[in-house]
Amino acid sequence: QLQLQESGPGLVKPSETLSLTCTVSGGSISSSSYYWGWIRQPPGKGLEWIGSIYYSGSTYYNPSLKSRVTISVDTSKNQFSLKLSSVTAADTAVYYCARHMIVVVPIAFDIWGQGTMVTVSS
Amino acid sequence: QSALTQPASVSGSPGQSITISCTGTSSDVGGYNYVSWYQQHPGKAPKLMIYEVSNRPSGVPDRFSGSKSGNTASLTISGLQAEDEADYYCSSYTSSSTLVVFGGGTKLTVL
Repeated sequence: QLQLQESGPGLVKPSETLSLTCTVSGGSISSSSYYWGWIRQPPGKGLEWIGSIYYSGSTYYNPSLKSRVTISVDTSKNQFSLKLSSVTAADTAVYYCARHMIVVVPIAFDIWGQGTMVTVSS
Repeated sequence: QSALTQPASVSGSPGQSITISCTGTSSDVGGYNYVSWYQQHPGKAPKLMIYEVSNRPSGVPDRFSGSKSGNTASLTISGLQAEDEADYYCSSYTSSSTLVVFGGGTKLTVL
């Protein structure tokens, strides 16, 4: 049974870089049928897609965050990672990693991690 | 403001049916059959309930169904149960550079 688990600091200072890792277990990240994505949810608000990556390293990013986001993959560790630079309080959110189903394009997130709360504060 | 428009809240009694709408444009909901729906209980991760407008992942009860007409997609829950009380989000592929858009979410209350 495939599982995803986010890890990383729960507190980041303003202007610094938020770094999270998602570890995939029970299956391979190198599947041709999926991208792997990051989604966030500010407290009391809705979902926002951040970006997704294929095992080959091909990426899609949300244009609203693209200038600050880097998503990378490490197939040897079955992990993918998120870096968000120059964070502000507006980046405070629960961050989820998820498996992103592909048809011709990525279409839906079918398996999610439990989420990790990241607070931006000095 | 979210790219897809959902009602903020809906309610229904146990055993009844409810429908949640999700309105977009011809660049997303209306242009592609790539609408998905997620259920989220408080403090939990979202769970995929419907993908490609009307397909249910394994394990999702057939009380949950999806449809689409024009630029509006709908999630219908029949035979409401107390455990269905949750937030529901729609999402769609979009041909814009954004690629993935979500609705603002709908809080379902089971009376």
